[in-house]
Amino acid sequence: DGGITQSPKYLFRKEGQNVTLSCEQNLNHDAMYWYRQDPGQGLRLIYYSQIVNDFQKGDIAEGYSVSREKKESFPLTVTSAQKNPTAFYLCASSTLQGAANVLTFGAGSRLTVL
Amino acid sequence: DQQVKQNSPSLSVQEGRISILNCDYTNSMFDYFLWYKKYPAEGPTFLISISSIKDKNEDGRFTVFLNKSAKHLSLHIVPSQPGDSAVYFCAAGWGTSGSRLTFGEGTQLTVNP
Repeated sequence: DGGITQSPKYLFRKEGQNVTLSCEQNLNHDAMYWYRQDPGQGLRLIYYSQIVNDFQKGDIAEGYSVSREKKESFPLTVTSAQKNPTAFYLCASSTLQGAANVLTFGAGSRLTVL
Repeated sequence: DQQVKQNSPSLSVQEGRISILNCDYTNSMFDYFLWYKKYPAEGPTFLISISSIKDKNEDGRFTVFLNKSAKHLSLHIVPSQPGDSAVYFCAAGWGTSGSRLTFGEGTQLTVNP
């Protein structure tokens, strides 16, 4: 079955540590995205990549970094510079359906900073 | 600047009745809109979309209406079922493949048996 796999599902981090969230897709989609969900704030875009070896900052990129070395993979690193990293992180990839760019999401990773 | 807003954090309806979820936007550049459904601890799943050149799109029990002059869209679910209980997000975008989507805050729908 085609889809998006995020790992780990739950992650705990001590303050000052960097952590990397994995995102792999086998949908053959060119574009991939990272969103963050906080209660009452919807989904906010962190980074996105339209093609391999290229990516753009979203609305809340500070304290995060990404890489896109392969079409299938778009890992997100939460650095110690991110002041409030506890959140639910969602990875997505997209394809055109008619006129709409439809995102397919993974199951998410919940990061908790202790 | 919140370009996509869902002003109702929650909505409760009886099974079998109509659920109407609302969404407002400010950016005239948006040329398509989508609705997603999300259960707790899962990723959102795509429900239905509408292009800005249309004012209505139907898919089974789900219908999306777009009023461009009012910059308003709504999702109608008829008849509502208990399994529809979830958080619903509206999203908007423009451009072609790989472009970004902007999401609203979400509305928690509860359908009571």
